[in-house]
Amino acid sequence: QVQLVQSGAEVKKPGASVKVSCKASGYTFTGYYMHWVRQAPGQGLEWMGWINPNNGGTNSAQKFQGRVTMTRDTSISTVYMELSRLRSDDTAVYYCARGSSSTPYYMDVWGKGTTVTVSS
Amino acid sequence: QVVLTQSPSASASLGAPVKLTCTLSSGHSSYAIAWHQQQPEKGPRFLMKLTSDGSHIKGDGIPDRFSGSSSGAERYLTISSLQSEDEADYYCQTWGTGTVVFGGGTKLTVL
Repeated sequence: QVQLVQSGAEVKKPGASVKVSCKASGYTFTGYYMHWVRQAPGQGLEWMGWINPNNGGTNSAQKFQGRVTMTRDTSISTVYMELSRLRSDDTAVYYCARGSSSTPYYMDVWGKGTTVTVSS
Repeated sequence: QVVLTQSPSASASLGAPVKLTCTLSSGHSSYAIAWHQQQPEKGPRFLMKLTSDGSHIKGDGIPDRFSGSSSGAERYLTISSLQSEDEADYYCQTWGTGTVVFGGGTKLTVL
């Protein structure tokens, strides 16, 4: 079955960077976009960006441009999201989610999330 | 830039039907959306993709009591007979020119 397994929780200091991984299984990794979405405590879902694992192409929300880097390793069916210059308001659960086959811009499978806490 | 508007909260009794609404901003009434459910302390789950003509494609394992419909700029999620496990946050989501937008979510309470 299709699965997205994310890396474990992280605690970082302000100004540092965090890199979250998402390992895909159960489908052709290069055939589907992967999105990153975050959710701050008690808040709604916020889209960060997507990566096309086939060619490494990316697009991110304007809010995160210059701070987010999305990469992939096709040999191990894994995508990564690195967020730099962390601030306390980056404290959130970060989800990877697969884009659908018909239209890559909606998500049809979600990971369980990775909690990132930014605190001095 | 498209904006999605959802009521912050809704409630209905166990076994009753409920209809949640997601409204597309002016000029975007032809857009398709997706509905996602987030149960307490869990990650989101894809429910369905819903187009402007009301046709929808549900995710794997989504119960028959969930359905979608459309009218103009409004997109609806209907639960025909509310179950306790349907108490959750519901988010609509759309896309345009390579970017993605979420609505603010509706918290559904089962009475």
